[in-house]
Amino acid sequence: LAKTTQPISMDSYEGQEVNITCSHNNIATNDYITWYQQFPSQGPRFIIQGYKTKVTNEVASLFIPADRKSSTLSLPRVSLSDTAVYYCLVGDRRALAGGYQKVTFGIGTKLQVIP
Amino acid sequence: DAGVTQSPTHLIKTRGQQVTLRCSPKSGHDTVSWYQQALGQGPQFIFQYYEEEERQRGNFPDRFSGHQFPNYSSELNVNALLLGDSALYLCASSPGTGAHDSPLHFGNGTRLTVT
Repeated sequence: LAKTTQPISMDSYEGQEVNITCSHNNIATNDYITWYQQFPSQGPRFIIQGYKTKVTNEVASLFIPADRKSSTLSLPRVSLSDTAVYYCLVGDRRALAGGYQKVTFGIGTKLQVIP
Repeated sequence: DAGVTQSPTHLIKTRGQQVTLRCSPKSGHDTVSWYQQALGQGPQFIFQYYEEEERQRGNFPDRFSGHQFPNYSSELNVNALLLGDSALYLCASSPGTGAHDSPLHFGNGTRLTVT
């Protein structure tokens, strides 16, 4: 997987939009960007995956600029239950799906939502 | 449709003992990966099993071993436990040879405490 850099921690008030940026300067042509969410004492949970431009689902949006060297996970109107660690992973789809390759996680971004 | 299940949820062992952790993958998944997550860190890849064989291995000593059964379930064994082995052990399953757009599915882990 490609090396990624993301902030170690972020604080946000309830109801605000939160944007977490991940840098991946060495992203390859076939690489996708995937985000996971992890609550304390639980396993990581897949949030969203994208290749270019914008992807949106019921949980989040993922913005990817044309050069794809970074991406931004956007969480609309966060609540206290969004307090978690968010991981950005970049790799080809098969690798990200655990296909015969190590899927490694960095330290992630710890998001603390404040009342 | 049951997701990834792990047992036990918590375990306390003494230094020098041996431990076995168990994982049942999500229905339809044939590949199992094991991760160790120390407090405040991201999950670290231990190894991956497919077709009852270890396919990939992370930077972990031989004290860490595993097994996959014909029904795709898996065990993680750790011998000669050290205090530093205290962590959350996560199991993740994936289709492996199947759909490349399927993310990893994690269980909620086994919390191992070594005293």
